[in-house]
Amino acid sequence: NAGVTQTPKFQVLKTGQSMTLQCAQDMNHEYMSWYRQDPGMGLRLIHYSVGAGITDQGEVPNGYNVSRSTTEDFPLRLLSAAPSQTSVYFCASTQTKNYGYTFGSGTRLTVV
Amino acid sequence: RKEVEQDPGPFNVPEGATVAFNCTYSNSASQSFFWYRQDCRKEPKLLMSVYSSGNEDGRFTAQLNRASQYISLLIRDSKLSDSATYLCVVTRRGGNQFYFGTGTSLTVIP
Repeated sequence: NAGVTQTPKFQVLKTGQSMTLQCAQDMNHEYMSWYRQDPGMGLRLIHYSVGAGITDQGEVPNGYNVSRSTTEDFPLRLLSAAPSQTSVYFCASTQTKNYGYTFGSGTRLTVV
Repeated sequence: RKEVEQDPGPFNVPEGATVAFNCTYSNSASQSFFWYRQDCRKEPKLLMSVYSSGNEDGRFTAQLNRASQYISLLIRDSKLSDSATYLCVVTRRGGNQFYFGTGTSLTVIP
């Protein structure tokens, strides 16, 4: 009963480095999304997907790429890390928008 | 105007009290509504969906007012374990995004 699994839980990057945050769900959900959460800003949508092969931009997509080659996986790539990308990142999934999201436990990213 | 707005609080209430939060949404085409709770340094977790006729889950009651475009959450007999941030979430008809409010902080005091 894994639900939504995010890795890593913590990461420190240097400015300019790239990395991929992993997200996998085992509930056969079609919808998957990536959010970042910063103090006082709430959850902001980065990218989302409504099915394998389909992705779209959210509110704050710059500096991030995604792909959805399978239903289960939705990795988030940081192309060239910047201190402004220091945040907590949450991946979430749901079967349809009529049901609430299930969230992963988050990745705490610090860019120095 | 933001899609979803909440009073950030904080709400500090004694144990056993009843507390209510409101959340307003800006788009009349909003379709699905939810309340989430988020504990400090944890992920948001679905508390309950909000249905047009209102719904109850134990000590929690959710209401939807489409005419005035707000949803509410009522917590009766507050427990210390209810201390958390409560997020309201809406989706739009014809769209695929979930819109989150910034959350209302609740602290239940012994």
